[in-house]
Amino acid sequence: AQSVTQLDSQVPVFEEAPVELRCNYSSSVSVYLFWYVQYPNQGLQLLLKYLSGSTLVKGINGFEAEFNKSQTSFHLRKPSVHISDTAEYFCAVSENSGGSNYKLTFGKGTLLTVNP
Amino acid sequence: KAGVTQTPRYLIKTRGQQVTLSCSPISGHRSVSWYQQTPGQGLQFLFEYFSETQRNKGNFPGRFSGRQFSNSRSEMNVSTLELGDSALYLCASSQQGSLSTGELFFGEGSRLTVL
Repeated sequence: AQSVTQLDSQVPVFEEAPVELRCNYSSSVSVYLFWYVQYPNQGLQLLLKYLSGSTLVKGINGFEAEFNKSQTSFHLRKPSVHISDTAEYFCAVSENSGGSNYKLTFGKGTLLTVNP
Repeated sequence: KAGVTQTPRYLIKTRGQQVTLSCSPISGHRSVSWYQQTPGQGLQFLFEYFSETQRNKGNFPGRFSGRQFSNSRSEMNVSTLELGDSALYLCASSQQGSLSTGELFFGEGSRLTVL
């Protein structure tokens, strides 16, 4: 069974500083990996996804993530954050649950707070 | 193109009552998934429907049920409400009918408070 661990529940940073939000997963089969963002009082929005190919994937709003198979990690990074990046970020893993069906498992989220 | 619409946005119920939540997916999307979001447990998968059939189910008791209509709209029902059912219920639709490579589009959620 797959599981997703987001190592930090809260990450406070100053504006224009770099940030890394960590995500580790466990799975016995090949997986697809996602990062979603949730702004206050809104639903989730896809930031980026890794399906195959290059292990460095770029998403919206200047975010990128690197898939590391040996470390089973998919950390999210941004070189310079803005106040508007304040939100909760969720790492998610999709694993085949039989036939053509897949199950999507989310981490518990990391609250990124960008301070002026 | 309209996004995923969930109704109602907020509701308050008392223990023992039942509740029905509605989700209208993006036009053309045939897959609808439901998630429960709480501060302690995060996002937990409830079930997924595709073409009116339940394709996946999470680890929730039978009090939680759902269905999908021929126009892809979906409803979920929670019977005999408990205090612990207080949560944000999120609906997501997908064009490809799969939780693998497809991008999920989420609604803003229905916030249920059980007193």
